[in-house]
Amino acid sequence: DQQVKQNSPSLSVQEGRISILNCDYTNSMFDYFLWYKKYPAEGPTFLISISSIKDKNEDGRFTVFLNKSAKHLSLHIVPSQPGDSAVYFCAAIDQAGTALIFGKGTTLSVSS
Amino acid sequence: DVKVTQSSRYLVKRTGEKVFLECVQDMDHENMFWYRQDPGLGLRLIYFSYDVKMKEKGDIPEGYSVSREKKERFSLILESASTNQTSMYLCATQNRGNQPQHFGDGTRLSIL
Repeated sequence: DQQVKQNSPSLSVQEGRISILNCDYTNSMFDYFLWYKKYPAEGPTFLISISSIKDKNEDGRFTVFLNKSAKHLSLHIVPSQPGDSAVYFCAAIDQAGTALIFGKGTTLSVSS
Repeated sequence: DVKVTQSSRYLVKRTGEKVFLECVQDMDHENMFWYRQDPGLGLRLIYFSYDVKMKEKGDIPEGYSVSREKKERFSLILESASTNQTSMYLCATQNRGNQPQHFGDGTRLSIL
């Protein structure tokens, strides 16, 4: 049973607009969440994280929002750029605080 | 910057062969991980290690083993390669719990 779900396999956005990538989780014991970005033929790159004691974390064009009651987090990219086109993975750290549990990813395409 | 080096970017092997995938990190991180990435399935954890000579099974350990004789090196072994092990293999390291993992660029393994 999937504990971390990314229900949209793909998202297409125009350059300059906002991209919103969504992620749901089922385990209420998760307390640390991360977003990774992956280009083809490269390993995932850490993008941004959020602890469960916060509801928002911002880093430049990237903002992650956490709604604990809904067990939902989202990644906002503003403004979107063509170089943002990649697969985005949502992940949660398990209760031991070590292993990451990944969603299946959302492919973002930003057109110019 | 953390550097995680996987010995091969592309590898082609035959069914039944014993295959070794090597991963080396230069940051003295305690934890190391092996994942495989398949289309539509995201990243799935095969094995991980908390310390030298320590190993733990992940979600899909069948058909694989690992070795961690030195802190900086974590090897994934396919005991008898099969075609369903054709995949992208990703190694990651982590300084300690509740921290991001840092990934290598991956090994694209094809089993013929």
